[in-house]
Amino acid sequence: NAGVTQTPKFQVLKTGQSMTLQCAQDMNHNSMYWYRQDPGMGLRLIYYSASEGTTDKGEVPNGYNVSRLNKREFSLRLESAAPSQTSVYFCASSETDGSYEQYFGPGTRLTVT
Amino acid sequence: AQSVTQPDIHITVSEGASLELRCNYSYGATPYLFWYVQSPGQGLQLLLKYFSGDTLVQGIKGFEAEFKRSQSSFNLRKPSVHWSDAAEYFCAVGARGTYKYIFGTGTRLKVLA
Repeated sequence: NAGVTQTPKFQVLKTGQSMTLQCAQDMNHNSMYWYRQDPGMGLRLIYYSASEGTTDKGEVPNGYNVSRLNKREFSLRLESAAPSQTSVYFCASSETDGSYEQYFGPGTRLTVT
Repeated sequence: AQSVTQPDIHITVSEGASLELRCNYSYGATPYLFWYVQSPGQGLQLLLKYFSGDTLVQGIKGFEAEFKRSQSSFNLRKPSVHWSDAAEYFCAVGARGTYKYIFGTGTRLKVLA
């Protein structure tokens, strides 16, 4: 049982380049999330998907787009990367809402130069 | 405003000593409270959660947490720390009907041999 998987693990981009971070879960969870983690700031929610076919903005959505491809997969896209997007990105899933625990992927470390 | 505060950014304890990590929250709805642990280079793993009932909850790895409604606190404890407990610990709050968990900024635990 893989849980939540993320690809890639590491990525270096130049300013202005685009990329998509992939996330998949095999727990049949309804809800999926994208966070970024920066030193001293904890985890900040970028976007979430409460259920298949829906997506909503979190705390820091600017510069990002998401796609809930199906129940298993939730991707995060950076259209034009900026140095301020250098961070560690985590995908998570939960059965439904905030009354349930979240399961996290291993993270993607992104550097934008 | 809704918030989670972890007042201690860093804590250092000796192996075998007891541990208490503090968490205070401010939340309008009935909170569902979580503690997660993050080992270096890893995603977050759930230690324990609380939403009702006995205010002392047991988690994995010998951790426990006590919910005190009057103090809006949910402190994490362990009677005897092991070197493998060195990690970063995050307190989080969620609620039924919302998908926006709020995370504290984390407490980094160092364990001295």
